[in-house]
Amino acid sequence: QVQLQESGPGLVKPSETLSLTCTVSGGSISGLYWHWIRLAPGKGLEWIGFVSHSGDTRYNPALISRLTISVDPSKNQFSLRLNSVTAADTAVYYCAREYSALEHWGPGIQVSVSS
Amino acid sequence: EIVLTQSPGTLSLSPGETATLSCRASQNINNIYFAWYQVKPGQPPRLLIYGVSGRATGIPDRFSGSGSGTDFTLTISRLEPEDFAVYFCQQYGSSPRTFGQGTKLEIK
Repeated sequence: QVQLQESGPGLVKPSETLSLTCTVSGGSISGLYWHWIRLAPGKGLEWIGFVSHSGDTRYNPALISRLTISVDPSKNQFSLRLNSVTAADTAVYYCAREYSALEHWGPGIQVSVSS
Repeated sequence: EIVLTQSPGTLSLSPGETATLSCRASQNINNIYFAWYQVKPGQPPRLLIYGVSGRATGIPDRFSGSGSGTDFTLTISRLEPEDFAVYFCQQYGSSPRTFGQGTKLEIK
């Protein structure tokens, strides 16, 4: 059974860079699409973007100027970098695998943007 | 970008009743890449329905999905106490992927 686990700092200062990693276990990162999604307080699910095992990416147009998603197949990991964060980026961040829709999710990591 | 609009925003029902949640797309979704998720506080989203009407692993048959084109529906029959949560629709056939804004199903 594939499992995903997010890791990274839970607190980021405004204007700095948010960096998260998702480690995949119980299955290979080869094939399929690997996503980042966030859920902000009082808001709905927001799709951030995805990366394929070969490095092909698609991003949310609202975040594209600040966003990089990358993959490291040798470590079975993929990563998120979001630059110039503000309080509006405070959310629970999830990584997920898309096969039949987003059927496997990590538990999520709370990231707060505050000085 | 395909915008998904869910209705109602909040649905108040009692256990044992049937919930009908709607999701309308801003343009025709000409494929079957449409899903529904359940979100509860402190838990990751849970896939309920994929491919418009396919039930994900472990999802009881009280949950059913239907629809085509621009209109899609999630029906939850015989509501159980654990079904009261927030539900999101999603299209995953084109990029950017998009979610609806959510429907909160609350106990009446």
